[in-house]
Amino acid sequence: ELKVEQNPLFLSMQEGKNYTIYCNYSTTSDRLYWYRQDPGKSLESLFVLLSNGAVKQEGRLMASLDTKARLSTLHITAAVHDLSATYFCAGDFGNEKLTFGTGTRLTIIP
Amino acid sequence: DVKVTQSSRYLVKRTGEKVFLECVQDMDHENMFWYRQDPGLGLRLIYFSYDVKMKEKGDIPEGYSVSREKKERFSLILESASTNQTSMYLCASSLSGGGQYFGPGTRLTVT
Repeated sequence: ELKVEQNPLFLSMQEGKNYTIYCNYSTTSDRLYWYRQDPGKSLESLFVLLSNGAVKQEGRLMASLDTKARLSTLHITAAVHDLSATYFCAGDFGNEKLTFGTGTRLTIIP
Repeated sequence: DVKVTQSSRYLVKRTGEKVFLECVQDMDHENMFWYRQDPGLGLRLIYFSYDVKMKEKGDIPEGYSVSREKKERFSLILESASTNQTSMYLCASSLSGGGQYFGPGTRLTVT
């Protein structure tokens, strides 16, 4: 069974701190995606990771992929309030379909 | 930029009504998808389509059907709406090998 598990589900952190969201998946994935969702809004694509060891960075967010461990991480550096959102990882396990994790609701506290 | 639009942002329907949710994309994407999103459950795939007049069941197709008569349009149909279909519905489209682009969502309430 295809499973994508994220942890933590909820994360409250202070501005300026660093933290990591973890995404484990159960079988080989062609591609691994990270999305952001603001309250009441749709999903916005952040990163796509294609191969083992891939690392992508945009501002204070950095995503990485370890296909051997079936693990992707989203690292937040020096968090700011604007990063408060729900973050989803999703794996493409073939046939263009995505299987999503349950999401991590991130709240940045001033 | 890819644009995916959905016909309604908010919709309120009564139990037993037939409900149509429309999705249109403007980038000639082959693939289109319908998800529902519920708190604590993430996004779950209802149906998807690789081409016009093609459809495939996703993880939770029961109680839903779809129609794709034109490449840019993918409709989700609730034949007889029930209260457990109250949810946020998200449409997405993609090119093969590319990421999915999502519409703004339709929040459906069935009373």
